[in-house]
Amino acid sequence: NAGVTQTPKFRVLKTGQSMTLLCAQDMNHEYMYWYRQDPGMGLRLIHYSVGEGTTAKGEVPDGYNVSRLKKQNFLLGLESAAPSQTSVYFCASSHPAGRTSGANVLTFGAGSRLTVL
Amino acid sequence: GQNIDQPTEMTATEGAIVQINCTYQTSGFNGLFWYQQHAGEAPTFLSYNVLDGLEEKGRFSSFLSRSKGYSYLLLKELQMKDSASYLCAADRGSTLGRLYFGRGTQLTVWP
Repeated sequence: NAGVTQTPKFRVLKTGQSMTLLCAQDMNHEYMYWYRQDPGMGLRLIHYSVGEGTTAKGEVPDGYNVSRLKKQNFLLGLESAAPSQTSVYFCASSHPAGRTSGANVLTFGAGSRLTVL
Repeated sequence: GQNIDQPTEMTATEGAIVQINCTYQTSGFNGLFWYQQHAGEAPTFLSYNVLDGLEEKGRFSSFLSRSKGYSYLLLKELQMKDSASYLCAADRGSTLGRLYFGRGTQLTVWP
């Protein structure tokens, strides 16, 4: 049982380049999320999805796009990378609250470290 | 607005007890999560408190006071492997699981 898998694990981009981070989960979770983690700051929600074909903005969505064409996959795209997007990106997934001990417990992937030069 | 405060760093020795405090102010509140994150790894779930009081899970316990906007994580019989960042996160009352995370407390356990 792999859980949540993120690819790639590391990537270096030049300013203006585009790329896509892929997240795959094998737990049949309904909800999926993309967070970014920066030094001295908490995890911040970029976008999330409550089901196949749906996406919504989180706290810091600017400069990112997402797609959830299949239930198990959630893609995060950067159309024109900027140095401010240098970060560690975490994908997470969960069942709706109430299906697992009443708490919406997130399972995180191992992270993708992105550097934009 | 949203605000979660927790100490940036703490140190303790093996076998000791440490308490990591977290205060929160959020628009909407359903419960309080604690996650553990080792360096370079994913956060992993430790506990969730929705009611006031203490929840005990082995060496780890978590406490919540909703009226005071306060929680703590208590770690007993500390081990070297407990050296990690501990993340406090408020569940803002939505079933969508949109957690608001604090900056994390880096705990270092010395032999």
